[in-house]
Amino acid sequence: GENVGLHLPTLSVQEGDNSIINCAYSNSASDYFIWYKQESGKGPQFIIDIRSNMDKRQGQRVTVLLNKTVKHLSLQIAATQPGDSAVYFCAVSVGYTDKLIFGTGTRLQVFP
Amino acid sequence: EPEVTQTPSHQVTQMGQEVILRCVPISNHLYFYWYRQILGQKVEFLVSFYNNEISEKSEIFDDQFSVERPDGSNFTLKIRSTKLEDSAMYFCANKRDRGPYEQYFGPGTRLTVT
Repeated sequence: GENVGLHLPTLSVQEGDNSIINCAYSNSASDYFIWYKQESGKGPQFIIDIRSNMDKRQGQRVTVLLNKTVKHLSLQIAATQPGDSAVYFCAVSVGYTDKLIFGTGTRLQVFP
Repeated sequence: EPEVTQTPSHQVTQMGQEVILRCVPISNHLYFYWYRQILGQKVEFLVSFYNNEISEKSEIFDDQFSVERPDGSNFTLKIRSTKLEDSAMYFCANKRDRGPYEQYFGPGTRLTVT
């Protein structure tokens, strides 16, 4: 099966700095990856996704990088703001039902 | 923007009781899921549902669990006889089609079993 792990349980950054959150997955056949943001007491909120035929995708202030060689995924947040404080999960879509296998989450703390 | 809704937001029940968690998915979405998240842990897949039947379930989803779409709109998760270890956040999710499409999550129901 698929195993998904995050490298750091907590990341503290200063407001305005860039944040990088990393994730590793195990199945080289995985082909769809998603980053979710979860604020306290809420459900996961979609941030950005990427398919395996790409190695980079950009959104508004966010960039996802995919390195299939080492099975590594990262989320970059530019000019981090206090509103970015949350737990971030990477997830991999697996199998014929497209179920999501989530990583363990990184808590991003933004301080002034 | 359309959203997934879930009721109740918080359910407290005694061990051994039955609970039904309800979800109203985004209309025209065809694929439905339940996930759970034990406090402080990662989100775990429970079950997927398509065309009015279960398409896949995890080992967590044992005989005490069931899902259905009773009226073609609501999507429910029933736990027949709750255990203490069922205490968790339960999230409903859905997506419009098969393949690499976003799964939209509801706000969750916090289930507390005492």
